[in-house]
Amino acid sequence: EVQVVESGGGWVQPGGSLRLSCAAPDFTFSSYSLTWVRQAPGKGLEWLSYISSSSTTRYYTNSVKGRFTISRDNAKNSLYLQMNSLRAEDTAVYYCVRDRDSSGYYDYWGQGTLVTVSS
Amino acid sequence: QSVLTQPPSASGTPGQRVTISCSGSSFNIGSNYVYWYQQLPGAAPKPLIYRDDQRPSGVPDRFSGSKSGTSASLAISGLRSEDEGDYYCAAWDDSLRGYVFGTGTKVTVL
Repeated sequence: EVQVVESGGGWVQPGGSLRLSCAAPDFTFSSYSLTWVRQAPGKGLEWLSYISSSSTTRYYTNSVKGRFTISRDNAKNSLYLQMNSLRAEDTAVYYCVRDRDSSGYYDYWGQGTLVTVSS
Repeated sequence: QSVLTQPPSASGTPGQRVTISCSGSSFNIGSNYVYWYQQLPGAAPKPLIYRDDQRPSGVPDRFSGSKSGTSASLAISGLRSEDEGDYYCAAWDDSLRGYVFGTGTKVTVL
């Protein structure tokens, strides 16, 4: 079973920053595109950002453009999400997801890390 | 606000067939693959259907997907109590240049 493990969540005040990490030691990390998806408490899934296997292509949903930055380090089998200027509406569980075919087949999901933005 | 619209709820008795619709546009469902995800209570989502109608290994054939034009459907036949949870459709949107999830449908087994 492929393991995907997120970390870095926690409580932060509005306007603050957090950096989420995702470790995926069990597959050929550098061969896959990766994505961040979040889910606010009691709400549906929201796609946030995509990064291609070699980091040459990145996409963001409008609500996080200019505030969040996705990156990866293939040598460390790690994915990151730098989140700045956080708002209350960013409160959610954040999932790291493997994109099996680079077109949206999200086959492995982490268990998520909770980010709470509150004063 | 999602660009993929699903009914908020669906229900059935054990053994029944339940169908969930997903309505989009020419920018997403009409021109890209549709995916379906199942999220059981307290768990992370998992894929149920990929590329419109393909089942990942391990997904029972009780689950099936179809697509026509700018709409897609997920059918669950032989409904079981362990199918209770939330179901989401998803697709790439060429206009938004991003992936979009549907609004989600909560399935209840009566």
